[in-house]
Amino acid sequence: NAGVTQTPKFQVLKTGQSMTLQCAQDMNHEYMSWYRQDPGMGLRLIHYSVGAGITDQGEVPNGYNVSRSTTEDFPLRLLSAAPSQTSVYFCASSYSGRAYYGYTFGSGTRLTVV
Amino acid sequence: LAKTTQPISMDSYEGQEVNITCSHNNIATNDYITWYQQFPSQGPRFIIQGYKTKVTNEVASLFIPADRKSSTLSLPRVSLSDTAVYYCLVILTGGGNKLTFGTGTQLKVEL
Repeated sequence: NAGVTQTPKFQVLKTGQSMTLQCAQDMNHEYMSWYRQDPGMGLRLIHYSVGAGITDQGEVPNGYNVSRSTTEDFPLRLLSAAPSQTSVYFCASSYSGRAYYGYTFGSGTRLTVV
Repeated sequence: LAKTTQPISMDSYEGQEVNITCSHNNIATNDYITWYQQFPSQGPRFIIQGYKTKVTNEVASLFIPADRKSSTLSLPRVSLSDTAVYYCLVILTGGGNKLTFGTGTQLKVEL
């Protein structure tokens, strides 16, 4: 049981480049979300999905796109990377979209934009 | 969602019991209190959750007084491996599906 798998673990981008951060879960969780964590701060919600085909914005969605074509996968796209997007990105999933059931987080992608 | 306040950092020694208190003065009737643990270079990990009184699992205990305006995470006999950031969150049971993280409490355990 792999849980939540994020790839890549590390990435360096130049300003203006685009890329996709991958997130996959094998627990048949309906709810998936993306967070970013900046030094000395808590995690902030970027986008989330309550099921295949349904996505919505979180607290800091600007500069990011998401889609959810399958239950298992929830990729995060950076359209034109900016230094302000340098951060650690975490993907999380939960049963039935209820925070009450506890979230499972991936191990993160550390992104540096130069 | 209710705002939470917890100490920025705590220090302890191996074998001691550590209690981290979180205040959530405006917690609502349907809110639960949940705690996550985050090790360096890892994502947060759910450790315990409760509504009132006391909850205990293999990792920790959670004490919630009757007025529910605060809660205390208790880690018995900590070891070096318990060094981590601990987050206290308030969540909705009915329809809430978002986690709002604060800056957490950095616990450092020394020999």
